[in-house]
Amino acid sequence: DAGVTQSPTHLIKTRGQQVTLRCSPKSGHDTVSWYQQALGQGPQFIFQYYEEEERQRGNFPDRFSGHQFPNYSSELNVNALLLGDSALYLCASSLGIGHLNTEAFFGQGTRLTVV
Amino acid sequence: DAKTTQPNSMESNEEEPVHLPCNHSTISGTDYIHWYRQLPSQGPEYVIHGLTSNVNNRMASLAIAEDRKSSTLILHRATLRDAAVYYCILRDLNRDDKIIFGKGTRLHILP
Repeated sequence: DAGVTQSPTHLIKTRGQQVTLRCSPKSGHDTVSWYQQALGQGPQFIFQYYEEEERQRGNFPDRFSGHQFPNYSSELNVNALLLGDSALYLCASSLGIGHLNTEAFFGQGTRLTVV
Repeated sequence: DAKTTQPNSMESNEEEPVHLPCNHSTISGTDYIHWYRQLPSQGPEYVIHGLTSNVNNRMASLAIAEDRKSSTLILHRATLRDAAVYYCILRDLNRDDKIIFGKGTRLHILP
């Protein structure tokens, strides 16, 4: 089992551009959550996808959007990039609400640098 | 979201036990106490979780106060590989399962 895989591992973009990050969840997991982690801070919740729909959302602007595919993989899109969007973006997969096995598995993250 | 309070950093000697405290005075009856840790240059990883009773697994033990307003993560014999940021998190698994991270405790292990 490959666990949670994210691509790419590193990315450099110019201010104003758009970026798409990808995540494949752990086998058997149906829920994908995205987090932004600035240097020296804890991860901040962006949103969560379940059954191809955004189920919960954190305090992030509409420039941040996502998608979940029928195979449960997910994409995070960020439009009109700002310098402040530079961060480590983490994907986590888990089973949905109500499951007793609640452990979330995180990927290694995508390091996004906006210049 | 219920809040937790942890010390910013702690130090411990290698091969000694480590007790990482967490206060959660506003915990609700349906909140589970979870611990995750983040090793350098890695994503967070699950450590342990519990509701009311103390819990043990291969990584650590979780001691939960009787009133559930505090808990302690216990690493029985710290190694250099345990140097990480440890996050104490409350999750109401009946309502939602998103993980809200605080600042955590940075644990330094001295050789």
